[in-house]
Amino acid sequence: KQEVTQIPAALSVPEGENLVLNCSFTDSAIYNLQWFRQDHGKGLTSLLLIQSSQREQTSGRLNASLDKSSGRSTLYIAASQPGDSATYLCAVNTDKLIFGTGTRLQVFP
Amino acid sequence: DAGVIQSPRHEVTEMGQEVTLRCKPISGHNSLFWYRQTMMRGLELLIYFNNNVPIDDSGMPEDRFSAKMPNASFSTLKIQPSEPRDSAVYFCASQNRASNQPQHFGDGTRLSIL
Repeated sequence: KQEVTQIPAALSVPEGENLVLNCSFTDSAIYNLQWFRQDHGKGLTSLLLIQSSQREQTSGRLNASLDKSSGRSTLYIAASQPGDSATYLCAVNTDKLIFGTGTRLQVFP
Repeated sequence: DAGVIQSPRHEVTEMGQEVTLRCKPISGHNSLFWYRQTMMRGLELLIYFNNNVPIDDSGMPEDRFSAKMPNASFSTLKIQPSEPRDSAVYFCASQNRASNQPQHFGDGTRLSIL
């Protein structure tokens, strides 16, 4: 059974710091991996999607890497801003999305 | 693009009542997903449809839950009878599965069963 774990569960940092959020999964048979952002009281917004054949994807200050063989992905946020404060969720696609429990990020001025 | 539209945004009702949650997917998307999010269990897939046909309902917790998709632009998730443990945020998402694009989520329905 696929299990997805995210570390840390919560993170509070001053703005300007570079951040690394971790995601691990137990079964490497995945189609792709996605990172989502969830603002309080809102739905999920897709940030990055990495196909199983890819190693990384970049969008602005965000970079996500995928090491399928070791069952790991990282989301790197450069020069964090207060507007980055949200919960970040990773999900692996095995024909359906299996979500991690998220990392709650707070960036303070 | 209006995005995925869910209604109602909030629902408070007494246990034993029937609850119906509604979802309008993004036009042109051929897959629709219903999720439930709780503090204890996180985000769980309940059921998904491809081309209006239910494909996997293994996440539906019990027979009190049912979902329909009568056409490509509308889906419902029904709970009858409702129980306090059904209290959660229910999300609907849609996707253009053929192009392997990300799922797009609605803002959810916050359900409270008293």
